[in-house]
Amino acid sequence: DTEVTQTPKHLVMGMTNKKSLKCEQHMGHRAMYWYKQKAKKPPELMFVYSYEKLSINESVPSRFSPECPNSSLLNLHLHALQPEDSALYLCASSQGGGLPTEAFFGQGTRLTVV
Amino acid sequence: SQQGEEDPQALSIQEGENATMNCSYKTSINNLQWYRQNSGRGLVHLILIRSNEREKHSGRLRVTLDTSKKSSSLLITASRAADTASYFCATDALPHNAGNNRKLIWGLGTSLAVNP
Repeated sequence: DTEVTQTPKHLVMGMTNKKSLKCEQHMGHRAMYWYKQKAKKPPELMFVYSYEKLSINESVPSRFSPECPNSSLLNLHLHALQPEDSALYLCASSQGGGLPTEAFFGQGTRLTVV
Repeated sequence: SQQGEEDPQALSIQEGENATMNCSYKTSINNLQWYRQNSGRGLVHLILIRSNEREKHSGRLRVTLDTSKKSSSLLITASRAADTASYFCATDALPHNAGNNRKLIWGLGTSLAVNP
């Protein structure tokens, strides 16, 4: 199984809502990532989890809150978002452990904040 | 942060032609990777080339790496309409990536259109 599964595929939320994005992988990867991508732009790294611990936070606003319940799951909790947060949110995983390997991406969640 | 610059930003070719896109970067790297992204979907890893390698092939793809010029190129031969996508290079760079804190530094991407 070489898939990274993200749910939901699409999400529309109001600025006062709380929602969560979910990501799952069963490749035994120990590094998991959240990226944000705007149209026609490269992905922007938000968070990196390594061995279930947050290792990189790219100065992301606190309205985005990541969580790694176990080595297969990664969540992104959303609260009080702004319209400019509308984007494609991508989850990825890689072997981790300092090994230079490829990243496997999910299909993303298209988020619209209204 | 983005360190890669790709050119061209957009490329339009006919089916059967070859497509070449280039990527330049700024710092020393462990490896350089190329990814493809179909419109509005996730990225798919194409090929990884290590800093001590100069050329790598995978099917219709050929990647070169010139560390002295800090540049890489991706060649897609005999292109097909299904190759229409955005292509990104990403570097696994030093010294940002120490121990477990690895992250990829992304280029701005090349949008490829292959016309039937």
